[in-house]
Formats: sequence, C-alpha cells, structure tokens
Amino acid sequence: SAVISQKPSRDICQRGTSLTIQCQVDSQVTMMFWYRQQPGQSLTLIATANQGSEATYESGFVIDKFPISRPNLTFSTLTVSNMSPEDSSIYLCSVDRLDSTYEQYFGPGTRLTVT
Amino acid sequence: GDSVTQMEGPVTLSEEAFLTINCTYTATGYPSLFWYVQYPGEGLQLLLKATKADDKGSNKGFEATYRKETTSFHLEKGSVQVSDSAVYFCALGRGADGLTFGKGTHLIIQP
Repeated sequence: SAVISQKPSRDICQRGTSLTIQCQVDSQVTMMFWYRQQPGQSLTLIATANQGSEATYESGFVIDKFPISRPNLTFSTLTVSNMSPEDSSIYLCSVDRLDSTYEQYFGPGTRLTVT
Repeated sequence: GDSVTQMEGPVTLSEEAFLTINCTYTATGYPSLFWYVQYPGEGLQLLLKATKADDKGSNKGFEATYRKETTSFHLEKGSVQVSDSAVYFCALGRGADGLTFGKGTHLIIQP
C-alpha cells in the first residue's frame, strides 16, 4: 500500500488569502487526485493531476481557484486561492492502487477553516 | 453521470445488533464498488471492495455483495461493536475518473 502524507494537517486562514496544501507519496504514482469534504458532507473530486500535464478539473472547479502542481511522480500541491468561508473543508489527496480495481489510498487530509 | 445513493444517518444501534447500510449506484459499464470508513479523528480507509458482479467483499466481519441486477452494494455485519462507530462511505470507481462517493452514513453503536 502507499503511504501518503499531507501538510499542513490543519490551518485557520483569513478570507482573501491563499493556502497551498502539499501531498507526498512514498512511491512513484502516475495519477494523483484531490478531493474536498465539506462539513458533514461527502467527498467531491476536485481534479486529477498527472505528472507532466495539466490537471483535469471536475465540473464546478476551476484552475484559477484551485491551481494544482505536479512536479514529479511523488508530489503534488493544491492551492486554495482567494479564500472565503465557503472553502472551509477537509482537503484530501489520493493515489490509485494501480491494480485495475480503481481502489484509492487517501492521505490524512488537511482541515481548513476560513474566517 | 455516475452517482451513489446511500442511507443517511445517523444510524444508532445497540452493541451486538445486526447492521445493514443500503447503497445503490448508477453508472455505465462495470464499475468497482467500495466501502470506505472514517473513524473519529482518523483518515479515510478502505473497508472492503468488489470488482465484478456477484463478488462479495469482506473485512473485519463486514460483508457486501455486488448486485448488478439491483445495482446495489449493501453493507452488512452480523454483530456490531462500539468500536464500529464511524462514518461509512459507499463509492464506485471507473478508471481514471476518480471515485464517486455517497453522502456517508454516520453509525453510532451504544454499549
């Protein structure tokens, strides 16, 4: 299994600012995923990040608001830009298990509170 | 598009009770189906999975069978424990599109 770490684990930010979340995997992976879990809600896919190409965003998410970097096969960042209280969520990164079952391993998440 | 519908909680049971959490899905093709669990203060972890019709996934006393004819993947456990208290998510996966999750079911087991 893959071991995934995220930084920071939590943060409290003021509206209008930006926060960059880091995701580190202990093995090389082709695809990394970013999800958002709003308070009391389910997980929603934000985007898929492949190394060497632009991230693919889901409907309702745009690159200007959630820019993603994927500089190598073990690391990715998600930036939440120009934050508002509605961005208060847990942000999780995940990787595919690569065994054709589509199972994913998840990081511990970053709990973001915007005031 | 793909979707997952699961019973919403909270579901409160007494210890040793029988558990069923219903999950149905809508998807084209043949997705893989998963149950993920989120224990209090912990990250999301896979509980069990099934990759084709009639497969039964099982782990820690929990079971779920992939029923294509009813597009369902209900989670069951014969005797729940207090330590099973958590949020349970049903999900489906179809290739490089990431996972589609249900809204989650908060399970509370009382001693």
